[in-house]
Amino acid sequence: KQEVTQIPAALSVPEGENLVLNCSFTDSAIYNLQWFRQDPGKGLTSLLLIQSSQREQTSGRLNASLDKSSGRSTLYIAASQPGDSATYLCAVETSYDKVIFGPGTSLSVIP
Amino acid sequence: EAQVTQNPRYLITVTGKKLTVTCSQNMNHEYMSWYRQDPGLGLRQIYYSMNVEVTDKGDVPEGYKVSRKEKRNFPLILESPSPNQTSLYFCASSLSSPRTEAFFGQGTRLTVV
Repeated sequence: KQEVTQIPAALSVPEGENLVLNCSFTDSAIYNLQWFRQDPGKGLTSLLLIQSSQREQTSGRLNASLDKSSGRSTLYIAASQPGDSATYLCAVETSYDKVIFGPGTSLSVIP
Repeated sequence: EAQVTQNPRYLITVTGKKLTVTCSQNMNHEYMSWYRQDPGLGLRQIYYSMNVEVTDKGDVPEGYKVSRKEKRNFPLILESPSPNQTSLYFCASSLSSPRTEAFFGQGTRLTVV
């Protein structure tokens, strides 16, 4: 059964710092991996979608990489800002069209 | 504006009283899905639908029903709600299967007493 974990569970950094969030999955047979952002009391917003055949995706200050063979993905945030404070979740799509989410990393960027 | 709309946003109900949470999307998406989010357990998929009249169980389908009679709507039905179904529920849609960007509704906070 596919399991998704995220490290760290929580992270606090000063503004301007570059940071890396980690996502691991146990079954490499995935179709894609998505990174989402969730603000308190709000729904999820898709940040980056990496197809299984891709190695990375970039959007602005965000860069996500995918290594299927090792079951890992990283989300790199450059020059962090207080507005980046949120919970970041990764999710994998399995071969049965199901979606499995990780528990999330709570990020706080201190001005 | 492209969006996924859930109603109601907040609901308090009593054990055993049937309820429906509606979900509607205006993007002509084929794939729709329901999730529940609980502290310490994260987001878990309840049911999903690949297209009209096609639905399938996610990881935690017990106690829930869904239907997909029209492409835009995907209601979640709790025939006999119990306190362990108290949770934050999200509906999501994507163009074709989850292999495209997912759009989420704002969530429905359900309390069953």
